Amino acid sequence: SAVISQKPSRDICQRGTSLTIQCQVDSQVTMMFWYRQQPGQSLTLIATANQGSEATYESGFVIDKFPISRPNLTFSTLTVSNMSPEDSSIYLCSVGTGPWEEQYFGPGTRLTVT
Amino acid sequence: ELKVEQNPLFLSMQEGKNYTIYCNYSTTSDRLYWYRQDPGKSLESLFVLLSNGAVKQEGRLMASLDTKARLSTLHITAAVHDLSATYFCAVDVLTQGGSEKLVFGKGMKLTVNP
Repeated sequence: SAVISQKPSRDICQRGTSLTIQCQVDSQVTMMFWYRQQPGQSLTLIATANQGSEATYESGFVIDKFPISRPNLTFSTLTVSNMSPEDSSIYLCSVGTGPWEEQYFGPGTRLTVT
Repeated sequence: ELKVEQNPLFLSMQEGKNYTIYCNYSTTSDRLYWYRQDPGKSLESLFVLLSNGAVKQEGRLMASLDTKARLSTLHITAAVHDLSATYFCAVDVLTQGGSEKLVFGKGMKLTVNP
């Protein structure tokens, strides 16, 4: 397994601003993912964070809105840009230790946009 | 589009009772995962099912996978209050870009009453 931390754990932000969420893993991992969980809903994959290259985004998510960095094998950031109340969600990072391996989830960042 | 459907979505049951919940998915996959989420918490991995006929048990929970029927079940035996949580199944699929991703069901909210 892997120990994953996220910062911040929660934040309240104003409409139109941006927030960067950090995900740190205690070991090198191949795969890192970012998910969104809207209130009372399931998880939706935003993008796969690729080390050394651009993230791969899922349908409905774009780089201008959710820029992602992955500078090394233990760290990634997700920025939620130009926020609106509809962006209020829990954002979770997850890691996989290899292709088709189990994914482990971080504690999540609870974002409220006012 | 891949669909992962859980049934039921809400379940209220008494302690000591048994129940089976279902997860159907619409595409070929040999890998299915069950996660537990407590309110305000992240996802905890429960079971990893990697082949047809896989059966795994942990305490009062037992999960199985039938890849031909595209069906997984999670059986609860002699429920206790501590099992109250939301349970997600997720299917591991290959994307068009050649990477993998998890597609989650909507989750089943379980309440076990004394």
